[in-house]
Amino acid sequence: EDKVVQSPLSLVVHEGDTVTLNCSYEVTNFRSLLWYKQEKKAPTFLFMLTSSGIEKKSGRLSSILDKKELFSILNITATQTGDSAIYLCAVGVNYGGATNKLIFGTGTLLAVQP
Amino acid sequence: KAGVTQTPRYLIKTRGQQVTLSCSPISGHRSVSWYQQTPGQGLQFLFEYFSETQRNKGNFPGRFSGRQFSNSRSEMNVSTLELGDSALYLCASSLAGPNSPLHFGNGTRLTVT
Repeated sequence: EDKVVQSPLSLVVHEGDTVTLNCSYEVTNFRSLLWYKQEKKAPTFLFMLTSSGIEKKSGRLSSILDKKELFSILNITATQTGDSAIYLCAVGVNYGGATNKLIFGTGTLLAVQP
Repeated sequence: KAGVTQTPRYLIKTRGQQVTLSCSPISGHRSVSWYQQTPGQGLQFLFEYFSETQRNKGNFPGRFSGRQFSNSRSEMNVSTLELGDSALYLCASSLAGPNSPLHFGNGTRLTVT
């Protein structure tokens, strides 16, 4: 059965800290790994990774994928209170067509204290 | 560019009733997917539509169904509601390619009493 596991489940840090969120997966027919940030309602897209070892970066956020060890990390440097959210990792799987199905982890709840 | 729009935002229904949720994708997006989000199970895939055809379906009972119209708008229907159907239902749209990221709407919060 396809599975995506995120750790830690929750994390409390202070503003200015650096955090690393982990995502490991066991899926057949891996296609891509995506990170989303969910604050109130809609998960918002952060990164999509398809190749190992290539870091994607956006401001203070960065992410990298290791397809050999089957995991990804999301780094947030110089955290701010606005970074408080649930961070979701999802893996896109190929079921033999152009389907765009994602398998989600349960998320990491990040709380950044002032 | 307008995002994914879901209506209604909130719904309260009683057991045994049925409900229809609506989703308008981002303009130009032809793929629409639906997910159920609950505190215990996280986001779980319901189904995906492309060009009015269901491309994939998750492990949900037949009470959950959906459709897509020629303008890419989509609806999902849940019949004979159960208490366990209470959840946030999220719709997402994407471009046609398999490596196109999903963009989510704000969801419909369904409460079944």
